[in-house]
Amino acid sequence: EVQLVESGGGLVQPGGSLRLSCAASGFTFSNYEMNWVRQAPGKGLEWVSYISSGGGTIYYADSVQGRFTISRDNAKNSLYLQMNSLRAEDTAVYYCARDLRYNYVWQPPHWGQGTLVTVSS
Amino acid sequence: DIQMTQSPSSLSASVGDRVTITCRASQSISSYLNWYQQKPGKGPKLLIYAASSLQSGVPSRFSGSGSGTDFTLTISSLQPEDFATYYCQQSSSTPRTFGPGTKVDIK
Repeated sequence: EVQLVESGGGLVQPGGSLRLSCAASGFTFSNYEMNWVRQAPGKGLEWVSYISSGGGTIYYADSVQGRFTISRDNAKNSLYLQMNSLRAEDTAVYYCARDLRYNYVWQPPHWGQGTLVTVSS
Repeated sequence: DIQMTQSPSSLSASVGDRVTITCRASQSISSYLNWYQQKPGKGPKLLIYAASSLQSGVPSRFSGSGSGTDFTLTISSLQPEDFATYYCQQSSSTPRTFGPGTKVDIK
């Protein structure tokens, strides 16, 4: 069974830092592109960051560029999001998300249950 | 960046109604299109991936169609548990943009 389990969320003051982790199991993690997606309270879904299967290609949303860093450890089947200089508008539930993949057949995306990040003084 | 639009933004329907939600991409995304359902206080649930593939465990009243730029999510007979917000998302290129959502509520 595919599982993605996020951790590391919590309450942090503006300007502070947090590191989110996502533990993957039930699939070959190193074959899949991964993303972080967030949802602020009462708002829609916002893509945050992408990392290729090998970690060599990375993208960020403009809203987090220069403050957040995505990384992965394929040996540990883990995805990370280092969040620095946090702002109130970063308050959201953060989801780890396996990408849709085509390898002769379509492999569906899969999301974790999310971890709440609250930025407040 | 690829922009995703959805229509309508909200709709009111009755149990048993056939409901259709449209998602349009600003450029071709082939079949790299997913549909999610979200209920209040819950995380998104995958319904359809690759434009028309039904996710395991999802009722067959849900179906997806389309390719290129125009896509449709259809609920053939709306059930009480289907009242929720629906999002489309493209996985063709980064950023992996989402549509703004369509809220389906009870008429």
